[in-house]
Amino acid sequence: DAGVIQSPRHEVTEMGQEVTLRCKPISGHDYLFWYRQTMMRGLELLIYFNNNVPIDDSGMPEDRFSAKMPNASFSTLKIQPSEPRDSAVYFCASSRAQGVRQPQHFGDGTRLSIL
Amino acid sequence: EDQVTQSPEALRLQEGESSSLNCSYTVSGLRGLFWYRQDPGKGPEFLFTLYSAGEEKEKERLKATLTKKESFLHITAPKPEDSATYLCAVQGPQGAQKLVFGQGTRLTINP
Repeated sequence: DAGVIQSPRHEVTEMGQEVTLRCKPISGHDYLFWYRQTMMRGLELLIYFNNNVPIDDSGMPEDRFSAKMPNASFSTLKIQPSEPRDSAVYFCASSRAQGVRQPQHFGDGTRLSIL
Repeated sequence: EDQVTQSPEALRLQEGESSSLNCSYTVSGLRGLFWYRQDPGKGPEFLFTLYSAGEEKEKERLKATLTKKESFLHITAPKPEDSATYLCAVQGPQGAQKLVFGQGTRLTINP
């Protein structure tokens, strides 16, 4: 089975521009997660969805960040307007719903640089 | 608030030199503790889930153990390909599937 697929792998853009990160979860997984990883703060959960519905967005830094999941096979994380402090690696992960101890499976991330 | 602290931050070993990585956690009502491996430029790769104190899981040269306050990842006779960052995460009762990660231990195995 294909794993979690993220695009683009790398994104370099200027401050103030809109950035859209994309994720395709593993087929059959009911949960989708967006994380941000930095040297200072490690891996932080931003938001997660269950059956395409946002469940917890308490980790979203501010209103400039938004996430959608229009269907079971696609999600986006959008930053508008972007700022240099948003530079990080953004990961998407997915997991099954059976039981609460199902492991999350991660994509290889999008490395975002805001100049 | 759930907290996870991993030590050491970095560890350098010679090939064949066994050691252990530590993950201390504070969570009210642990539902699961997860170990992941992360290679440079890649996403975390799932290794183990531990549910209750006393539980152990093994995979090749790795063995994970769990107590009520911490987990250890034991590496026996490591090889250079075991070099990676090892991440520990806990799942508490706050929300199904929500994980809190530690900062990781960067492991380097020299040939």
